Amino acid sequence: GAGVSQSPRYKVAKRGQDVALRCDPISGHVSLFWYQQALGQGPEFLTYFQNEAQLDKSGLPSDRFFAERPEGSVSTLKIQRTQQEDSAVYLCASSPIKGGTDNEKLFFGSGTQLSVL
Amino acid sequence: QQQVKQSPQSLIVQKGGISIINCAYENTAFDYFPWYQQFPGKGPALLIAIRPDVSEKKEGRFTISFNKSAKQFSLHIMDSQPGDSATYFCAASIGAWSGGGADGLTFGKGTHLIIQP
Repeated sequence: GAGVSQSPRYKVAKRGQDVALRCDPISGHVSLFWYQQALGQGPEFLTYFQNEAQLDKSGLPSDRFFAERPEGSVSTLKIQRTQQEDSAVYLCASSPIKGGTDNEKLFFGSGTQLSVL
Repeated sequence: QQQVKQSPQSLIVQKGGISIINCAYENTAFDYFPWYQQFPGKGPALLIAIRPDVSEKKEGRFTISFNKSAKQFSLHIMDSQPGDSATYFCAASIGAWSGGGADGLTFGKGTHLIIQP
């Protein structure tokens, strides 16, 4: 595809439900990042993959958050037992650069807006 | 502690005017300072970035001014146009690292810019 694709675009969940958010990175991009953007805030880092390896998950706010990228392309961010404070836009970004150290080649998707009621 | 402070929170500028957004940072180890533009419903897109070896960088109507001693940098948009209306985020990192941790990409809270026709 032409860019980073995320689905669903919007997700409404009842508190306590599990949700799964999908990211299709740009083809061939080895690095993949997830960010959380709360209303009126800048994005905050959640986790980083290089191919299928999750090299950094220091930003995941709790053990209810889990991310995977089993074949080194599509990634899924799963949130278990959602809480109201999980409401945010979840952004995925990919980069062709191994190690994620060239921010100028980082491309963001449009995000999934999660609302937990 | 907020590592990157951005102001103003919102800004209204007349068409053709100059838009100025300011950021201040705490971590003196930061060595990469990008600005992102985000339209409603879209992910952030890199606009322009600077490293501390120069005091100014210009790309078209967009200029970053950097003051290392004051730990401040700013975005100037010349001849502002209605199409520039968006939210602008400054950010900082060490080594252009897009991920987390102390080196990671740290965003300001954003400035909502409106250009009036």
